[in-house]
Amino acid sequence: NAGVTQTPKFQVLKTGQSMTLQCAQDMNHEYMSWYRQDPGMGLRLIHYSVGAGITDQGEVPNGYNVSRSTTEDFPLRLLSAAPSQTSVYFCASSYSHGIPYNEQFFGPGTRLTVL
Amino acid sequence: DQQVKQNSPSLSVQEGRISILNCDYTNSMFDYFLWYKKYPAEGPTFLISISSIKDKNEDGRFTVFLNKSAKHLSLHIVPSQPGDSAVYFCAPKGPGTYKYIFGTGTRLKVLA
Repeated sequence: NAGVTQTPKFQVLKTGQSMTLQCAQDMNHEYMSWYRQDPGMGLRLIHYSVGAGITDQGEVPNGYNVSRSTTEDFPLRLLSAAPSQTSVYFCASSYSHGIPYNEQFFGPGTRLTVL
Repeated sequence: DQQVKQNSPSLSVQEGRISILNCDYTNSMFDYFLWYKKYPAEGPTFLISISSIKDKNEDGRFTVFLNKSAKHLSLHIVPSQPGDSAVYFCAPKGPGTYKYIFGTGTRLKVLA
């Protein structure tokens, strides 16, 4: 049981490049989400999904796309990277049906630098 | 407009003593409040939660207190241990949603 895995661990991009951050979980969780963490700030929700085929925007969605074709995978795409997207990105998953709150399990993070 | 504030960026406590981490919020509609702990180079891990209809929840060495009238919650760790050294985030949410708003975090250092 690997939990939540994220690849890559580190990435450097040039402004304007695109890339996909990978996230996978093997706990059969229906809820998955992406956060970014910047210095002096808490985690901010980018996008989330309540199940395969269903995604929605979080607090800071601009410049990012997501899709959820399977329960296990929830990739985050940067369309045209900008220096403002330099951050640490965390993927998380949890159960969500019929429970009042969800304890999220986080991956180890991807540290992205955009030059 | 910060809905969730953790006004102490850092806190140092001697091993064996009590650690008190604070969190203030502005939205009276929050229905659940979660605390997460984060070690360097790792993702956050869930620690403890409290419902808005309660004023206290305890789990071993960790107790969370909620004061709804003051819109304030606190996490007490007794006794503190060096392994508790980490960044702690409070993260409340509103009813009917799983969208959490994370505070900026408090870095706790427990001195041996």
